[in-house]
Amino acid sequence: DAKTTQPTSMDCAEGRAANLPCNHSTISGNEYVYWYRQIHSQGPQYIIHGLKNNETNEMASLIITEDRKSSTLILPHATLRDTAVYYCIVRFKAAGNKLTFGGGTRVLVKP
Amino acid sequence: GAVVSQHPSWVICKSGTSVKIECRSLDFQATTMFWYRQFPKQSLMLMATSNEGSKATYEQGVEKDKFLINHASLTLSTLTVTSAHPEDSSFYICSGLAGDTDTQYFGPGTRLTVL
Repeated sequence: DAKTTQPTSMDCAEGRAANLPCNHSTISGNEYVYWYRQIHSQGPQYIIHGLKNNETNEMASLIITEDRKSSTLILPHATLRDTAVYYCIVRFKAAGNKLTFGGGTRVLVKP
Repeated sequence: GAVVSQHPSWVICKSGTSVKIECRSLDFQATTMFWYRQFPKQSLMLMATSNEGSKATYEQGVEKDKFLINHASLTLSTLTVTSAHPEDSSFYICSGLAGDTDTQYFGPGTRLTVL
């Protein structure tokens, strides 16, 4: 699976949009971009995934660049409960393929 | 999203004893389940992949005789830590692969402390 690069940490203001970047310059054509987050002492929570089109659900939006070498997760209105470690993972969407977790971005939402 | 449960949520045991952790997919069938381990201030590390009705596949460096995995049904996988030692103390997390979306959903984790 392609390696991803994320900022180690970032702060954002409560109520504002949080934009989390992820670089995956070696991504191949069949690899999807997945985002998970892990709140302290809990299991990871699935957020969103995409291949090349932008995606949106009730939690977030995923913007993937046209060359697919980077993406941005957008939390439209960050709340204190969004404080977590956010993981960007690239993997083949084939049955049984595992997820490889990197260091992620530690996001702190401040009042 | 799909729900995965784990039991127990935490356990304390004496060195040398065995501990079993259960992972259940509550509202979907998981033909594949994964077991991860997470040490403090570190990321998740995959330990093994289990497919229903077959033997688990272990990652390099994970002792299969120490970490016994059973995936007897489409909704239940168990991890047994045999002859636990203090260095096995960790946060153990399972996930189930939902076949319709091909997405992994994670359990809440089990914190194991070996005294």
